[in-house]
Amino acid sequence: EAQVTQNPRYLITVTGKKLTVTCSQNMNHEYMSWYRQDPGLGLRQIYYSMNVEATDKGDVPEGYKVSRKEKRNFPLILESPSPNQTSLYFCASSPGTTGNTIYFGEGSWLTVV
Amino acid sequence: GDSVTQMEGPVTLSEEAFLTINCTYTATGYPSLFWYVQYPGEGLQLLLKATKADDKGSNKGFEATYRKETTSFHLEKGSVQVSDSAVYFCALSGQAHNNDMRFGAGTRLTVKP
Repeated sequence: EAQVTQNPRYLITVTGKKLTVTCSQNMNHEYMSWYRQDPGLGLRQIYYSMNVEATDKGDVPEGYKVSRKEKRNFPLILESPSPNQTSLYFCASSPGTTGNTIYFGEGSWLTVV
Repeated sequence: GDSVTQMEGPVTLSEEAFLTINCTYTATGYPSLFWYVQYPGEGLQLLLKATKADDKGSNKGFEATYRKETTSFHLEKGSVQVSDSAVYFCALSGQAHNNDMRFGAGTRLTVKP
């Protein structure tokens, strides 16, 4: 089954404790991205990657890092989480050309206290 | 830059009522337009899309027509069901870079029996 898998789905952590949210897709997609969803703001792109070893900032990259060492994986790293990073995070992938459907993971609820 | 504006919710309807969720966009060039749906506790999934002017996307009884003259992509359904209760996102994929997907803020729909 074609899917985007992210983990953990739910996490409560403390300010400053580094964490990683993993993302993996099994569709051989070139393009992957991370979004955060906040009430009234819709989805905002954090980082995206157009292929292996090619990452770039989205609209709200501050406080986040990503890497793309393999085509299927695109982890999101919060080096020093802060409460304003409490949000619902989605990983997504697509074949990589404009106009193609984006496939989303089920989301990761992150709370930073 | 490219952007999407959709009507604010929440929207509450009775079963079998007619649904319209308005969506307008601002973009350079010729973007592709999408509606995504998010059911409770799940990620976003594609509902329908249109890639050029006057195209009509349709799925599960929902329809939306790409209107370039009014820069709109309104979502409609003739008779909603309780199972349609979800959050609906309008989105566009522009030409700034591959898959630069811009989302509206989302409209929560609740359908009551």
